[in-house]
Amino acid sequence: GEDVEQSLFLSVREGDSSVINCTYTDSSSTYLYWYKQEPGAGLQLLTYIFSNMDMKQDQRLTVLLNKKDKHLSLRIADTQTGDSAIYFCAGKGYGGATNKLIFGTGTLLAVQP
Amino acid sequence: GAVVSQHPSRVICKSGTSVKIECRSLDFQATTMFWYRQFPKQSLMLMATSNEGSKATYEQGVEKDKFLINHASLTLSTLTVTSAHPEDSSFYICSARDKSNTEAFFGQGTRLTVV
Repeated sequence: GEDVEQSLFLSVREGDSSVINCTYTDSSSTYLYWYKQEPGAGLQLLTYIFSNMDMKQDQRLTVLLNKKDKHLSLRIADTQTGDSAIYFCAGKGYGGATNKLIFGTGTLLAVQP
Repeated sequence: GAVVSQHPSRVICKSGTSVKIECRSLDFQATTMFWYRQFPKQSLMLMATSNEGSKATYEQGVEKDKFLINHASLTLSTLTVTSAHPEDSSFYICSARDKSNTEAFFGQGTRLTVV
């Protein structure tokens, strides 16, 4: 099955850029997602990228996809203290009755003032 | 974006009792709903997938008689933890997907504590 790996922890200073990385094993994922989870809360969809794209930019967020290396990254520009949270990447296959999401292990982003 | 409401947000119950968690899609029809379990500082583990009007599909290792899922309408799915034990204490999160099948929207989660 799909295996999605992330680094566990990232610490940055306020105003710097953050880059959160994700590697996956199943190249059949048609969509790849980034979610944000604040303490004790559900998941908030930040952005997603279709597998035939290399890059997607959405305000402070930039997603880069390297299909050859099966590597996905999320760059947050001008990181703020409110960005402190756990970030999950997730992949979704195409077709079939379930199209379930497979989540990465999560990266805790700590933003220092 | 679409809104998924999960209720209750927190529940404490005694061992041996059953607890029902509701997941509602408020402004869209959810053809598929997913139930996840999350242990502290860990990722989400998919428990089961439910499609409206049909039986849920459980992931390997998840006891279907223990975690009863009902998806009676296009806007409501319920997860009932039967005969709860302390090891069932966890954070349960539901997710709903609409007909476009692109985005999944998540509920706020339910913190279950079994004492």
